[in-house]
Amino acid sequence: NAGVTQTPKFRVLKTGQSMTLLCAQDMNHEYMYWYRQDPGMGLRLIHYSVGEGTTAKGEVPDGYNVSRLKKQNFLLGLESAAPSQTSVYFCASSFGGGGNGELFFGEGSRLTVL
Amino acid sequence: QKEVEQDPGPLSVPEGAIVSLNCTYSNSAFQYFMWYRQYSRKGPELLMYTYSSGNKEDGRFTAQVDKSSKYISLFIRDSQPSDSATYLCAMSDGSARQLTFGSGTQLTVLP
Repeated sequence: NAGVTQTPKFRVLKTGQSMTLLCAQDMNHEYMYWYRQDPGMGLRLIHYSVGEGTTAKGEVPDGYNVSRLKKQNFLLGLESAAPSQTSVYFCASSFGGGGNGELFFGEGSRLTVL
Repeated sequence: QKEVEQDPGPLSVPEGAIVSLNCTYSNSAFQYFMWYRQYSRKGPELLMYTYSSGNKEDGRFTAQVDKSSKYISLFIRDSQPSDSATYLCAMSDGSARQLTFGSGTQLTVLP
């Protein structure tokens, strides 16, 4: 039972490069989320999706784009990476909305932007 | 001011100690309260879930919510080295699609 799988787990980028993080869940969850975690800042929501074909902005969406073409996948894109986007990125999914449903997290993707 | 405040620690205790972790919040609309545990280089996992005020117990863990004081706590009894992790509080008003997380408290239980 894989749960939530994130790829890649590690990546180093140069400023201005682009990349995509892939999140896949096998629990048939409707809701999916992308968070970033920085020291002293906790988890901050970047974008989320309430179902296939939908996306919405979270707390810190600037510089990121997302797509949810298939229910099981949620992609996070960085079009032009900046050093401020150096962080650990977590994908999560839930059956119901995060407010009253358990979030299941992936193991994280560590991104360094030089 | 952050919506949710959590003492970052680090907190170091001897094995067998009682641990108290706390969060304060400012949004009176929050009614769902959770504690997540995050081991090093892993994703957070749900540990405790409480709706509205009151206490909830699960084995060695007790979660308390005091909505009048906007204060939540997690108590760990008979702490074990395997409890060493970062503990994140999280809360929601239920109508939003997201949780608001505290910054996390790093706990080390020494054998």
